[in-house]
Amino acid sequence: EAGVVQSPRYKIIEKKQPVAFWCNPISGHNTLYWYRQNLGQGPELLIRYENEEAVDDSQLPKDRFSAERLKGVDSTLKIQPAELGDSAVYLCASSLTSGAYYNEQFFGPGTRLTVL
Amino acid sequence: QQQVKQSPQSLIVQKGGISIINCAYENTAFDYFPWYQQFPGKGPALLIAIRPDVSEKKEGRFTISFNKSAKQFSLHIMDSQPGDSATYFCAASGNYGQNFVFGPGTRLSVLP
Repeated sequence: EAGVVQSPRYKIIEKKQPVAFWCNPISGHNTLYWYRQNLGQGPELLIRYENEEAVDDSQLPKDRFSAERLKGVDSTLKIQPAELGDSAVYLCASSLTSGAYYNEQFFGPGTRLTVL
Repeated sequence: QQQVKQSPQSLIVQKGGISIINCAYENTAFDYFPWYQQFPGKGPALLIAIRPDVSEKKEGRFTISFNKSAKQFSLHIMDSQPGDSATYFCAASGNYGQNFVFGPGTRLSVLP
């Protein structure tokens, strides 16, 4: 079974440019997460989707970040315009949805963004 | 209150030794405490997790000890191996995946 797929793996852009990251979750996983991981730190949740609905986007900087999951499968995270402080690894994760207990989150390899 | 504190920041252990990583939390609404292992260039992978209704959970060489009253939990890696060298993150979550918070990580190096 394929894991969580993310692309691109690496991206280098100039500040003020736009950038987009793509994630394809594990088949059948209704819940999708986007995290940001700064160097030497733990992942920080940006947004969580249940199917196509964003159920937790409280940590998403909405002035420059946007995300979508139109058909409840793959998802795109966009930054426009990018700032120097956005340099980080952007991780996508997915899990089954259950109201009874926690399901394991499976992480993709991440996209390493460098903003110059 | 949403933070999870983790220590030490880095840890060096000899092969065959015991690695111990500690975490503490404040939010009493947290009721799920996983540990993740991350190798360079890879995403984190779930290692072991515990719910607060038990004080200890063991899976192979990995054990979580949980102290609900102290709001602390720890990961013990027995018979540490060089292949265990990675960064370990504790995390906490409540309400079926809401408020999912990671600790800052511990970089473990196991010397051969």
